[in-house]
Amino acid sequence: QSVLTQPPSVSAAPGQKVTISCSGSSSNIGNNYVSWYQHLPGTAPKLLIYDNNKRPSGIPDRFSGSKSGTSATLGITGLQTGDEADYYCGTWDSSLSAGVFGGGTKLTVL
Amino acid sequence: EVQLVESGGGLVQPGGSLRLSCAASGFTFSSYDMNWVRQAPGKGLEWVSYIRFSGSTIYYADSVKGRFTISRDNAKNSLYLQMNSLRAEDTAVYYCARERMGSTYVMDVWGQGTTVTVSS
Repeated sequence: QSVLTQPPSVSAAPGQKVTISCSGSSSNIGNNYVSWYQHLPGTAPKLLIYDNNKRPSGIPDRFSGSKSGTSATLGITGLQTGDEADYYCGTWDSSLSAGVFGGGTKLTVL
Repeated sequence: EVQLVESGGGLVQPGGSLRLSCAASGFTFSSYDMNWVRQAPGKGLEWVSYIRFSGSTIYYADSVKGRFTISRDNAKNSLYLQMNSLRAEDTAVYYCARERMGSTYVMDVWGQGTTVTVSS
């Protein structure tokens, strides 16, 4: 059971928009920055969003992040088949003194 | 090119030990905090351990505390994970990951991973 809760799967058609939620508590999301990662099986995870809503260089603006209270959201617009992957939210948990990830969300682009 | 390359994975019996290494190149390794993250078969990412750039601060996940030891050799640009008393549930792909400068728990560079299988 992950400390952060994500939906197991989401799906949408090419060109559409999808959002992935990440729910936590005051000890993690509520008081720390959230980051998001894209992971294709057999490859290295890739950082998409950090500090709730910042994009590293090279990440297209189709990817966005937001945070409100103890929840965070990843948004992806203009979906492409290449976006099919597992997406994870992550943050630091101050009570646990440990890093935590969500359980991951599998994105299917129909 | 900024790169992290893990090595040292393999098949080990329950109760055994293994030492993972992560070789860093293309950046000033001694200036960056580092993490180990793993993914068990069919499961999600799980944070394992963190070490400050100087080695002065270390954290572990409860699942590995007392069994795993993280360390680094800045002169050799290398990160290590000594794993003792291994269990079947430690079977996973282990990634080393660089923490983004100025951020907390933001991993901006990842290795390709090394596979650890704990089985008799």
